[in-house]
Amino acid sequence: QKEVEQNSGPLSVPEGAIASLNCTYSDRVSQSFFWYRQYSGKSPELIMSIYSNGDKEDGRFTAQLNKASQYVSLLIRDSQPSDSATYLCAVIWGDDKIIFGKGTRLHILP
Amino acid sequence: EAQVTQNPRYLITVTGKKLTVTCSQNMNHEYMSWYRQDPGLGLRQIYYSMNVEVTDKGDVPEGYKVSRKEKRNFPLILESPSPNQTSLYFCASSFTSGSINEQFFGPGTRLTVL
Repeated sequence: QKEVEQNSGPLSVPEGAIASLNCTYSDRVSQSFFWYRQYSGKSPELIMSIYSNGDKEDGRFTAQLNKASQYVSLLIRDSQPSDSATYLCAVIWGDDKIIFGKGTRLHILP
Repeated sequence: EAQVTQNPRYLITVTGKKLTVTCSQNMNHEYMSWYRQDPGLGLRQIYYSMNVEVTDKGDVPEGYKVSRKEKRNFPLILESPSPNQTSLYFCASSFTSGSINEQFFGPGTRLTVL
């Protein structure tokens, strides 16, 4: 059974520091990886997508993918209070299979 | 404005009373999906559709039905709701280029079944 694992948190990070969120998945065949941010009571919104090994940077966000070790991570630099949310990792298998992790709650301490 | 809409946003109903939650997208997306989100269980897929007239079960399809007669609409039907279907429901859509891409989510429907 395909699984996507995330530490539920909460992960507390001081404002201005780097927040590191991790996600592991069970199937090496996985092709596409997404990070979504979800504020309490709101719908998820895409932060980053990554498809190949290595790092992908977008502003304060960096996604890292290591297919051999089956993990994908999200780094948030210069963390802001507005980054406090739940971060969901999503993994795509084949053409039509998607599984979300249960999410990591991130709390940025002012 | 590109968006996914859901209606109703909030619904309180009683056990056994059939209901439909509508979902519509204006982005010409092929892929549409329904999820439920429960505390501690995360976002779980109920049903999805790769295109018109093509639907398939997700991880938790029991007690739900869907249809995809038009590309833009993907209603979720609960024929006989039960209290364990009390949850927050999200509809989402995506382009497909051989596989699912970024999903755009609707605002959510909070359903309570008494």
